[in-house]
Parts: sequence; C-alpha cells; structure tokens
Amino acid sequence: EVQLVESGGGLVKPGGSLRLSCAASGFTFSNVWMTWVRQAPGKGLEWVGRIKSKADGGTTDDATPVKGRFSISRDDSRNMLYLQMNSLKIEDTAVYFCATDRRSAMFSRYFEYWGQGSLVTVSS
Amino acid sequence: SYVLTQPPSVSVAPGQTARITCGGNNIGSKAVHWYQQMPGQAPVLVIYDDSDRPSGIPERFSGSNSRDTATLTVSRVEAGDEADYYCQVWVGTNDPFVVIGGGTKLTVL
Repeated sequence: EVQLVESGGGLVKPGGSLRLSCAASGFTFSNVWMTWVRQAPGKGLEWVGRIKSKADGGTTDDATPVKGRFSISRDDSRNMLYLQMNSLKIEDTAVYFCATDRRSAMFSRYFEYWGQGSLVTVSS
Repeated sequence: SYVLTQPPSVSVAPGQTARITCGGNNIGSKAVHWYQQMPGQAPVLVIYDDSDRPSGIPERFSGSNSRDTATLTVSRVEAGDEADYYCQVWVGTNDPFVVIGGGTKLTVL
C-alpha cells in the first residue's frame, strides 16, 4: 500500500524558514517523480514544484510564487522528500501536500497518490 | 499563462447526473486530470488522461474533453459524492508546468 506522510509543519514568523518532510513507502521511491501542492485556507490547490527521479536527472521545477525561496530535494536511501522553505511570507500559509508525479499514456503528468498534508502558518 | 476555468458550484439531486466543466484555450489538445477532495482530506485522483479511471473509482465517474471544454460527469449522484473537484493539466517543460483549475463545489441537494 502506498503511503505518503508529511511532517514538519508549524507556526513560523514572516521571513523565517521551515523544512517539510514527506516519508514514502509502498513503492520504489527512487523511480518516481515527486510533487508538492499547497492549499491556502479556504482556497483551491496550487502546484508548488517537483523533483524528478535521479534516472531522469534529479532536477527540480518550481512555480513562480516560490521560485528562489523554496527548494525541493530527495533522499532515495531513506525514501524521503523534502521542501525547504525560506523567506516565508504570510501568503505561504497553507496545507502542503506531497504527491507522486506520474507520466501518463498521453504524455502528460498527474498526481496519483497524495499524503494527508502538513499545515504551515506564517504569522507574526 | 494558461488558465483553467471551473464554475464555483454545481448542485444536483441524488440519483441525477452532475456535469462539472473545465474551460481552457484549446484544452482538447491537452490531457486533463480530475481530483476529488472531501472536506479536510487530501485530494484523490478520479480521472486521468481525460477519461481513464484509476482502480477503485466507480464507473459513475467519467470524463470527456473536446475543443475548449473538459467535463467530469458523475452519474447517479450519491450524497457521498459531495466534495470539491479540481481539473489539472500539464502545460509542458516551461513555467508554469502545471495548471490547476479553481475548483468546483458539488452539492448534493
């Protein structure tokens, strides 16, 4: 059974930093691209960024609102995904979900399995 | 940048058919994926590649995509289908890479 469990959320002041973790199990983590999606309170889903598998280069792509402030990494030996968030702003307040990022038969990408999310609150 | 437009809400009586649209410029040329999100829970993939269902998703959920509109259809709606539904496309290898619609609240009357 695929499981994704986020941790590391909490309350942080504007300008501060926080690192989220996502523990994966039930699949071969090293083969899978991984994505972060966030959801501000009462709002819709917003894609944050992704990291490719090492076999596909291990590179990352980030959404414009977080570019230069957030970074995504992975530790395949521990089946762990990370989201390092720096220079946090009030508008970064959201539940952050990790998800598997799968290529489809139509050469698109979708998010097959999701964690339960971790709440990050940025407030003074 | 690419924008996906969903109606904020759709209401339907139990047993009827709900259709949730996702509008985008020439969206018919892209693969559309749909997610269901119950209150306080993580999203669940219900349709991928316009009309394919993951294992475990009831056949009542179906999808279509043509020209400028993709549609998620929920047949024989049940009270348990009440949730937010989001469409998503992969734009490609340049920013914004992934676009997600604003979501539609399906209310079962």
